[in-house]
Amino acid sequence: GQSLEQPSEVTAVEGAIVQINCTYQTSGFYGLSWYQQHDGGAPTFLSYNALDGLEETGRFSSFLSRSDSYGYLLLQELQMKDSASYFCAVSASYNQGGKLIFGQGTELSVKP
Amino acid sequence: NAGVMQNPRHLVRRRGQEARLRCSPMKGHSHVYWYRQLPEEGLKFMVYLQKENIIDESGMPKERFSAEFPKEGPSILRIQQVVRGDSAAYFCASSPSQGGDTEAFFGQGTRLTVV
Repeated sequence: GQSLEQPSEVTAVEGAIVQINCTYQTSGFYGLSWYQQHDGGAPTFLSYNALDGLEETGRFSSFLSRSDSYGYLLLQELQMKDSASYFCAVSASYNQGGKLIFGQGTELSVKP
Repeated sequence: NAGVMQNPRHLVRRRGQEARLRCSPMKGHSHVYWYRQLPEEGLKFMVYLQKENIIDESGMPKERFSAEFPKEGPSILRIQQVVRGDSAAYFCASSPSQGGDTEAFFGQGTRLTVV
């Protein structure tokens, strides 16, 4: 089967750093994406890794290790508005880029 | 440039009725994907369409569900004879290409409630 595992919830305080891990088992792998979803609204793209290593975009960074089938999303200088659900998602093949296999999501709560 | 537009935002249907969900992709996008999300869960892929073609419907239930993306007009996800278990949020996404590194842009979703 195809599965992505991520923690169901994480709590942190404003200004802190939090890491959300994702491990995956899929029949194919092309890349790992991260999406943010506020209150069941439209998922919003955050980052994408196809190669091993760290990708940095402002306060958000994402890491991938293909040999370990593992990635994480790092959020720095947390703000209250970062409270949301975060999903990792795998693109299993090159020619179906928008066909994603999603994890169950991590509910991030940022406290004052 | 408007984003992905879905309507209606909320839809209530009685058991046995039909539900039609519409999705207009972003301008210039010809690849459309439909996903279903149950409460507290991730999105589950249903179907991938390009104009007038179904590319991958491996996530679609075999019965009662169908999708189309005509040459003109929005993509339609159609659910016939709805049951309570169909209650969920249905999201549409579009992308400019089919490449594995393409970014998928999601709409606000249609929340279907079957009573």
